[in-house]
Amino acid sequence: GAVVSQHPSWVICKSGTSVKIECRSLDFQATTMFWYRQFPKQSLMLMATSNEGSKATYEQGVEKDKFLINHASLTLSTLTVTSAHPEDSSFYICSARAEAPTGNTEAFFGQGTRLTVV
Amino acid sequence: AQKVTQAQTEISVVEKEDVTLDCVYETRDTTYYLFWYKQPPSGELVFLIRRNSFDEQNEISGRYSWNFQKSTSSFNFTITASQVVDSAVYFCALSNFNKFYFGSGTKLNVKP
Repeated sequence: GAVVSQHPSWVICKSGTSVKIECRSLDFQATTMFWYRQFPKQSLMLMATSNEGSKATYEQGVEKDKFLINHASLTLSTLTVTSAHPEDSSFYICSARAEAPTGNTEAFFGQGTRLTVV
Repeated sequence: AQKVTQAQTEISVVEKEDVTLDCVYETRDTTYYLFWYKQPPSGELVFLIRRNSFDEQNEISGRYSWNFQKSTSSFNFTITASQVVDSAVYFCALSNFNKFYFGSGTKLNVKP
C-alpha cells in the first residue's frame, strides 16, 4: 500500500509553546488528509479534514485556532498545536486519501505522533 | 449517523485459544467500507482488512478470519490459535468517503 509518513514520532514540549506535526504522502498525491486524536486507552477521534489549497473543516468541538492545519501541497499537511497545554498531550494520527487502482479511494495512516506537554 | 460499537473492552486468552472480536455498526449509507486495524503498544495502526458494503463474502487470511453480516450489521474478527504477538488493541472502523469512524477498541491479551 501507499506510504504516509508522520514526523516527529514523539515530541515533548513546554506548556505555552507551539508544536508542528507533519504528515507526508510519500508515493502518491493526497488531495485530502485527515487528522485524528487518540487519548490514552481511548479510540481515535476525527479532528479535521484537510483539503489541499483550502481551509480545513473541523469537527464539532475542535478549536480551529488551537489546532492549525495547513495543506499547502498535495503531499504535505501540517498540524500545529498552538500554546500547548498538558491537556493537549495525546497521540495524533494523520490519514491521507489516495486513488486505488480499482478507481475507489483508499486511506492510509501515518505512524502517529505522541505529544507530551510538560 | 455513523457509529461503531465494540462491546468487548478487554479480552484475555491463553495462547492457542481461538478468540472472536465483535463489531457492530450503524449507518444509513448504502455504500460504505468496514475495516479492522491492529494497534500495538508502539501506536501505529496496522491495516488488517477492508470490506465494502456489497461484498459479504467471509475472508480468511492465515489465522485471521472475518465474518461480515449485513443483516445484523456486524463485522466480527476471529483469530485462530492465538499467539502472544497478537496482543494489541484492535479497532473496527466504518468509512464513508474515507472519513473514518472508529469503535472504542478491544484490548486483546494473549498469555503464554
